[in-house]
Amino acid sequence: QVQLRESGPGLVEPSETLSLTCSVSGGSISSYYWSWIRHPPGKGLEWIGYIFYTGSSNYNPSLKSRVTISVDTSKNQFSLTLTSVTAADTAVYYCARDPTGATWGGYFDYWGPGTLVTVSS
Amino acid sequence: DIQMTQSPSSLSASVGDRVTITCRASQSTSSYLNWYQQKPGKAPKLLIYAASSLQSGVPSRFSGSGSGTDFTLTISSLQPEDFATYYCQQTYSAPFTFGQGTRLEIK
Repeated sequence: QVQLRESGPGLVEPSETLSLTCSVSGGSISSYYWSWIRHPPGKGLEWIGYIFYTGSSNYNPSLKSRVTISVDTSKNQFSLTLTSVTAADTAVYYCARDPTGATWGGYFDYWGPGTLVTVSS
Repeated sequence: DIQMTQSPSSLSASVGDRVTITCRASQSTSSYLNWYQQKPGKAPKLLIYAASSLQSGVPSRFSGSGSGTDFTLTISSLQPEDFATYYCQQTYSAPFTFGQGTRLEIK
């Protein structure tokens, strides 16, 4: 059974950098696409971006200038970095797997439990 | 960006009812449309992918239909565990956008 778990600071100061890691267990990170999705309080779900295990990535244009997603296959982890955060970046952040293998399918079968990140001084 | 609009935003129903939730896209998404269920404090759960394919392990009372811009999620006979929020998501073109959600409540 594949399991994902997000980790990182729950509180980030405005203008600083948000960094989260998703650890994958019960399966290999190889041969799949992996995404970050967030859910701001009282708003809808927002896809942030994805990365393939080879390092190929794609980001939401609304966040592209501030987002980097990276992968570490040796640790079976992938990470999210979001720079210059504001209160609008306060959200529950999820990592998730696309099950379709080498072809991006865009849907997500395994999700982490989510982690709340609050941007505040 | 493709805008996804769900209706209704909220819905009250009883156990055993047949329920239909609609999702409309601002432009065609072919059959690149997925449905998720989310309960409070939990991650979304994939129900339907590619408009009508039932995810493994999901009860057969859930079904999806549609193509182009108009899609529906149907629950044939509501069970107590089905009361949750439901989201559609298009994966036709980036950014892969979600609907605003439909909250299904007990009548």
